[in-house]
Amino acid sequence: QSALTQPASVSGSPGQSITMSCIGTDSDIGSYEYVSWYQQHPGKAPKLMIYDVSNRPSGVPDRFSGSKSGNTASLTISGLQAEDEADFYCSSYSGSSTPVIFGGGTKLTVL
Amino acid sequence: QVQLVQSGAEVKKPGASVKLSCKTSGYDFSGYYINWVRQAPGQGPEWMGWVNPNSGGTDYAQKFQGRVSMTRDTSISTAYMELTRLRSDDSAVYYCALERGETATFHYWGQGALVTVSS
Repeated sequence: QSALTQPASVSGSPGQSITMSCIGTDSDIGSYEYVSWYQQHPGKAPKLMIYDVSNRPSGVPDRFSGSKSGNTASLTISGLQAEDEADFYCSSYSGSSTPVIFGGGTKLTVL
Repeated sequence: QVQLVQSGAEVKKPGASVKLSCKTSGYDFSGYYINWVRQAPGQGPEWMGWVNPNSGGTDYAQKFQGRVSMTRDTSISTAYMELTRLRSDDSAVYYCALERGETATFHYWGQGALVTVSS
């Protein structure tokens, strides 16, 4: 099963909003509401930021929001802050032989 | 608070096996599937499989079938992952992570364990 497709990098200035995409197929994002987003700082474990497409775990700022349209999921971060700079990975449940797939990651740079 | 504490870094030769542990605390051990996810340098995470803490049942990614074994010891709230016939491309950071049911959502993660496979 191929990985989900994410842009290699996105950037924005403090206070701005950015949106990053995660493209899947009819077998994963297009068929299930189990899309998650993780933030990973260098040398650290991933941290869950969004689950079930648009839900935020307790403690995650409401500046982070998720959505889905067809086979594409999106993560939007509003009011960018310096500490948001990190790698972001999307994941989805998949109806294939590998039920969990991840994207290759997007590096967010806060200018 | 929920904690997952993994065993330390390992260096192995090609063809050897590695067994990692993940000691959990701060929650009902039966409440989450324990998954193993690995991440090679500069790559995205890769799901390897899970163990059901209640039944001990497992589900493995097809890629690892026949080489991986995931178990748990409920008496000490600890999960294990053994990978055999190691190759150089198995070098990665291995994480354990908690999933509530089969939702493909990993709410909590261990700190990771670096496995280096080199001759």
